[in-house]
Amino acid sequence: DARVTQTPRHKVTEMGQEVTMRCQPILGHNTVFWYRQTMMQGLELLAYFRNRAPLDDSGMPKDRFSAEMPDATLATLKIQPSEPRDSAVYFCASGLGTGVDTQYFGPGTRLTVL
Amino acid sequence: AQSVTQLGSHVSVSEGALVLLRCNYSSSVPPYLFWYVQYPNQGLQLLLKYTTGATLVKGINGFEAEFKKSETSFHLTKPSAHMSDAAEYFCAVSDSTGNQFYFGTGTSLTVIP
Repeated sequence: DARVTQTPRHKVTEMGQEVTMRCQPILGHNTVFWYRQTMMQGLELLAYFRNRAPLDDSGMPKDRFSAEMPDATLATLKIQPSEPRDSAVYFCASGLGTGVDTQYFGPGTRLTVL
Repeated sequence: AQSVTQLGSHVSVSEGALVLLRCNYSSSVPPYLFWYVQYPNQGLQLLLKYTTGATLVKGINGFEAEFKKSETSFHLTKPSAHMSDAAEYFCAVSDSTGNQFYFGTGTSLTVIP
């Protein structure tokens, strides 16, 4: 049963530290999404890639966040420096890149910035 | 431009009662519509989706939704709520390219025993 995997599942860090979250999309999927979920803001799209190229990262704070796909099997989301307001659950999802396609979500990374 | 509105951020129903979660969309082109469910401490998973054809779509766990173009709605229903249905439900809309898509703000469903 193919699944999106995310590491780490939980991360506690101190303000100012760098945080890197990793996502392995389902093999064969060419679109990868990064979302952030908080109680206050709900589910927010941060960025998404198709065929490893960024299509939209307008939801991402550019000064501290960066997203990359070094290869087709790995997507990364980096925060540097981290701030307490970045505390959230970060989800990665993958799909086949068409309008009718389902997004398959990973289990999320729960980030706490102290 | 597209957007999704979910009416009611919290819905409570008694076990065995009808579940109705509302979703309205705005779209300048024929949309593709989705319902996702999120159980506690998990990612979202697809319940059902409408692409073309039959407007009544059946999904997993006994849920179904009807696409009503005249009302721009895609409400989610289940005839009889089960305790295991307690979760957060998200409506989403996409265009044909997948380049424009939006999730609603979610509706939290509570099932009362």
